[in-house]
Amino acid sequence: ETGVTQTPRHLVMGMTNKKSLKCEQHLGHNAMYWYKQSAKKPLELMFVYNFKEQTENNSVPSRFSPECPNSSHLFLHLHTLQPEDSALYLCASSLSPDRGDYGYTFGSGTRLTVV
Amino acid sequence: AQKITQTQPGMFVQEKEAVTLDCTYDTSDPSYGLFWYKQPSSGEMIFLIYQGSYDQQNATEGRYSLNFQKARKSANLVISASQLGDSAMYFCAMRAPSRLSFGAGTTVTVRA
Repeated sequence: ETGVTQTPRHLVMGMTNKKSLKCEQHLGHNAMYWYKQSAKKPLELMFVYNFKEQTENNSVPSRFSPECPNSSHLFLHLHTLQPEDSALYLCASSLSPDRGDYGYTFGSGTRLTVV
Repeated sequence: AQKITQTQPGMFVQEKEAVTLDCTYDTSDPSYGLFWYKQPSSGEMIFLIYQGSYDQQNATEGRYSLNFQKARKSANLVISASQLGDSAMYFCAMRAPSRLSFGAGTTVTVRA
């Protein structure tokens, strides 16, 4: 266990379903992130939250809706997804979003399949 | 804009031998951090080693060492005495200053 917990580990959903991914950390970190990892593509940063406030949205389609109720929890709400959204979704946290010497701690990811 | 390049999509290495994974980067920020992560088939990204742009010495962590050549903008990872458990995907990443960007990764397969 790294300290960042993601649930569920696997998710299969239809294109008309609504589901949510959950991420939780108790490392005392103040920044949380969602990444998308598709096959044969580099990791793509989706969203950044700093002290519960969204500070970055990298042109992510509105069918992905993040929520950060506190510094320890991060959700990714999914609705009307497309098959090309099938990927590994990784959550990460870091002590500070602005310190270059701090790396990120990642969860184990949610492997999402859209059918 | 930041860019991280890993030119080796896949490598095979014999158990107990050393392997070097290449990474070059590009950034206009004078202060940055370089990281290597390991991703086994389970999907988790595991932090291996960190090198700061102002660090004078190359970073080492157990069997991992980072060959940092600032002028060439390269940060190669060396894994010594490879083990079967080292088989995984390896990512080079750079943080400058606020976002962590990743290269495409290198798959390492250790043969017995």
